[in-house]
This record gives sequence, C-alpha cells and structure tokens, in this order.
Amino acid sequence: GAGVSQSPRYKVAKRGQDVALRCDPISGHVSLFWYQQALGQGPEFLTYFQNEAQLDKSGLPSDRFFAERPEGSVSTLKIQRTQQEDSAVYLCASSLGPRATIYFGEGSWLTVV
Amino acid sequence: AQTVTQSQPEMSVQEAETVTLSCTYDTSESDYYLFWYKQPPSRQMILVIRQEAYKQQNATENRFSVNFQKAAKSFSLKISDSQLGDAAMYFCAYRIRITQGGSEKLVFGKGTKLTVNP
Repeated sequence: GAGVSQSPRYKVAKRGQDVALRCDPISGHVSLFWYQQALGQGPEFLTYFQNEAQLDKSGLPSDRFFAERPEGSVSTLKIQRTQQEDSAVYLCASSLGPRATIYFGEGSWLTVV
Repeated sequence: AQTVTQSQPEMSVQEAETVTLSCTYDTSESDYYLFWYKQPPSRQMILVIRQEAYKQQNATENRFSVNFQKAAKSFSLKISDSQLGDAAMYFCAYRIRITQGGSEKLVFGKGTKLTVNP
C-alpha cells in the first residue's frame, strides 16, 4: 500500500474486554514497530519485529499485551482484559531496514470505559 | 538509561519569524540517528529532519535546520519563516540499534507544542 494502514482507527472497549489492533505496513518493509502514546506524552516503544521474528518485546507493559506478525507482513497487537490505563493511541511504524526511514500510521485510538 | 529531554512543553512564534526547539538526549550507544517528528492533531508522525550521529555537518531541509552538538548531546530544531501549517506537536527522537539480538528502536521525548500566531 501507499502508507502504513491501521485499523480500527477508533475503538471503545469496556473494561475487561479483549481488543485486537491491526497494522498493515508498507509492502516490502522488513522492520515493524508498535508504540503506545498516552495523552500528552511522547510515544513509548512496545515491540519490534524483523520480518516474522519478534526481536524485542521489552516495552510490552504486561502479559496482557501480545503482538504477532506471523507471515512477516500484517501485524496484530492484542490486549486482553483491557483496563482504563490502556487508553492511548497505538502507533504502528515500518521501515525497509535498520537505516531506512521509519514511516508511521495514523494510529488506533483506544478508549477503555 | 536512554532518555530524550525536551525542556519546552510549549512554544509560540509569530508567523514568518524563527523559533528554536531544544532537545537533549542520553545514550551510551555510538551508532545512532537523531530525528525531529511533527505530529498534528491527526496523530500521524511526520518526519521533519534526520541527522546521522557520525556526520558533523548539521542537516537542513528547506526551512528546517538542526544544531547538532554531539559532545553536549544536544539536538535543537530551528524553524525559519514560520508558517501557520507548522503548528503541531514536535518530538525529538533518536534511533538505536541494539547489537545483541538485532533489535532497534526509536526513543522519543515528551514533545513541544508549537503555536504559530498570525
């Protein structure tokens, strides 16, 4: 595609509900990142994939957060048993490789009520 | 610790004038890149300018330029001839590659909200 595509753009979840956020990176991009951005803050790193391999998940805040990229293209970030503190914008980004420009999607806005 | 500090939560500038946004960072890595991103209300991060740490020459991109002081770990952004469309959140970030495991990441500051007054 022309850019990084994320869906849904907006999600309202009841506390305790599971959610899945999808990221479609730019075709051919090897590297894929997920970030969490709370209101008034900078983006915080969650996890990094190189193709289908999850090389770094050090930023995932708890075991309720899980990310996958099974075929090395589309990625899904899953949050189980959502809590109010999970409310944030979740940004996905991709790049051709380690030194290439990183392109961001428009984010998925999650509100937990 | 790997951190980025943007000490100006908010800045304002008159249209057509110049403004400088400050950024300092702390990393023990030797191979890294520095970036300024613009984030409008839509929340999409737009790359403004990038600087390779090994390059001494400051990067320039049209009205945007940086003052990169490697020893001081300082990376400020200068916007010349400010336009109304420049109003946004600006984030400073650096990109590091973690040798063990092959991971990489961007580390962001908390941002500076820029207002441009007509």
